[in-house]
Amino acid sequence: GAGVSQSPSNKVTEKGKDVELRCDPISGHTALYWYRQSLGQGLEFLIYFQGNSAPDKSGLPSDRFSAERTGGSVSTLTIQRTQQEDSAVYLCASSLNGDAYEQYFGPGTRLTVT
Amino acid sequence: GNSVTQMEGPVTLSEEAFLTINCTYTATGYPSLFWYVQYPGEGLQLLLKATKADDKGSNKGFEATYRKETTSFHLEKGSVQVSDSAVYFCALRPPHDYKLSFGAGTTVTVRA
Repeated sequence: GAGVSQSPSNKVTEKGKDVELRCDPISGHTALYWYRQSLGQGLEFLIYFQGNSAPDKSGLPSDRFSAERTGGSVSTLTIQRTQQEDSAVYLCASSLNGDAYEQYFGPGTRLTVT
Repeated sequence: GNSVTQMEGPVTLSEEAFLTINCTYTATGYPSLFWYVQYPGEGLQLLLKATKADDKGSNKGFEATYRKETTSFHLEKGSVQVSDSAVYFCALRPPHDYKLSFGAGTTVTVRA
């Protein structure tokens, strides 16, 4: 079956602009995660959605970052007023459920802020 | 807090050489341990995992044993191939949690 898909695969934006990154999880997976992979910080957890529960936003680095998940499926990560330090690869993952299940990762969106 | 430390790369090997990538962790309780691999241009894939002490995870000729006494989960392969060239990440997930904590990644290049 189809894996996790993300769009766009690459995004170049000017400092100060807003960007939206999209994630389509594997069908039937109730848990969805966003991670960020950057040169200075490695792979960091950003946010977690599980079913209809309130998301765990504890990894979001600032209030310029937000995410939503509509209808328990597609998720959008929004970064407002982008800064150069936001340049990174943003990875989405989904799993059948929460903690005990394997997380399947998408190919990522490479964001470059100029 | 939880953290993972893995050996820095890059690592360059000849085909059929033995590969070891060291990984140690800090965590409370008994976390689950993972090795993920990222091939060029692709997303992260789970390579192997172990969920309790002394478990051995294995896949594609790779092995890693969960050592509680040394808080380690070293990755090994006896004879690497060019196709094993990738970035390898060690990761942990605490008990009853969903967040993965990753090491910095080790870039491995295998030459023919």
